[in-house]
Formats: sequence, C-alpha cells, structure tokens
Amino acid sequence: TQLLEQSPQFLSIQEGENLTVYCNSSSVFSSLQWYRQEPGEGPVLLVTVVTGGEVKKLKRLTFQFGDARKDSSLHITAAQPGDTGLYLCAGENNQGGKLIFGQGTELSVKP
Amino acid sequence: GAGVSQSPSNKVTEKGKDVELRCDPISGHTALYWYRQSLGQGLEFLIYFQGNSAPDKSGLPSDRFSAERTGGSVSTLTIQRTQQEDSAVYLCASSLVGGAYEQYFGPGTRLTVT
Repeated sequence: TQLLEQSPQFLSIQEGENLTVYCNSSSVFSSLQWYRQEPGEGPVLLVTVVTGGEVKKLKRLTFQFGDARKDSSLHITAAQPGDTGLYLCAGENNQGGKLIFGQGTELSVKP
Repeated sequence: GAGVSQSPSNKVTEKGKDVELRCDPISGHTALYWYRQSLGQGLEFLIYFQGNSAPDKSGLPSDRFSAERTGGSVSTLTIQRTQQEDSAVYLCASSLVGGAYEQYFGPGTRLTVT
C-alpha cells in the first residue's frame, strides 16, 4: 500500500514568517500534486511536479520534488493570513489518475 | 455547468438507512473519481470511472458501498445500511481523461449518520 506522510499536521504562525510543509513516502510516484482546501469546498490544485529534482515557484510558494520522486516540500515565504487553509499533497502512480493523499497540514496565519 | 456539482450538500440520516449521493462532473470530462474525507484529514480514494466503467474500485470500504455512472456523465454513490463510521465528506472529482490530468473537485456532500 502506498502511503504519503505529511508533516506537520498543524501549523500556526504569525504573518510574515516562513514555513515548510513536508510530504514523504517510501514509494515512487510518477507525479505529485499540491492542493489547498478551504472549509466547505473541495481541494484546488496549486501545482503538479513530475520530474525528480524539479522546483516550481508560484508567487511566494516554492514546490520541490525529490530526486527519487518519493518526497516533496512546499515552502511559503512571508506568509499572509490569506494563506490560511488545509494544504494537501497527493501522489499519482500511473493507475488511471487515482490520487494517494497525505493527511494534510492545517495552516493558520495570524495577522 | 462551470464546475463539478454535488448534491445534496448535507445529508443527515439514521443508522441503517440507505443514502444516495450525486455527482455532476464538468461537461466533457471522461474520468470521474469519488473520495472520502474524514474531519480535518486527507482524502481517501473510493472508486474511479473512465466513461461508464469502473476500472478501479479498490477503495470501496465494504460491499455496502456501490457506485454507478450513466451516459458518461452523472455518477451516484450509494451507501446501504449506513453506519456511524460512514460519516464523512464525500468528494467527487472529474478530469478530462484518466491519468495525470488535473482533477477538479466538487464542494462535497457532508454525510452525518446518527
């Protein structure tokens, strides 16, 4: 069974601080996706990383895929209250698009 | 429609009753997925449709759970003889085709079994 371990589970920080969320597995994934989910809504895709070692930037968010395609990280610079939400990593393994999700990181950014 | 829609948005049912949850995918999307999300947790895969067939049902937790898709569009997830542990948010997603394409999620149906 493929599993994704996501950490930390909860993160409460002040506006302006930096943070990193980690997603780790013993399995190799063909791609890894990061989602953000707000209460009462479905997850919304932020980014997909496909190549080992790949780094993608989305404004203040930096996503990295490990060289072995088993782990990933999300780094947020100068967090804003609008970044508050549940961040989810999800791995895909060429089985029709079925996603294996991590447990999520509940981020709270206080003004 | 513009996005994936699900109905009902909330459902409260008594233990032992059957429930049906509906998903309307984005028009033209051939792949459809059902996931389950417990409070504050990640999503658990249930079943995947490509067109009207379900090549992967591996996530259905028991034989009380079933799903169908008709006309390559609307899908219904049925839970028979509901149990309290079935309480969760049931999310549907669709994508243009199966595989590593972006999945667009609906808002979910919050099921509470009393």
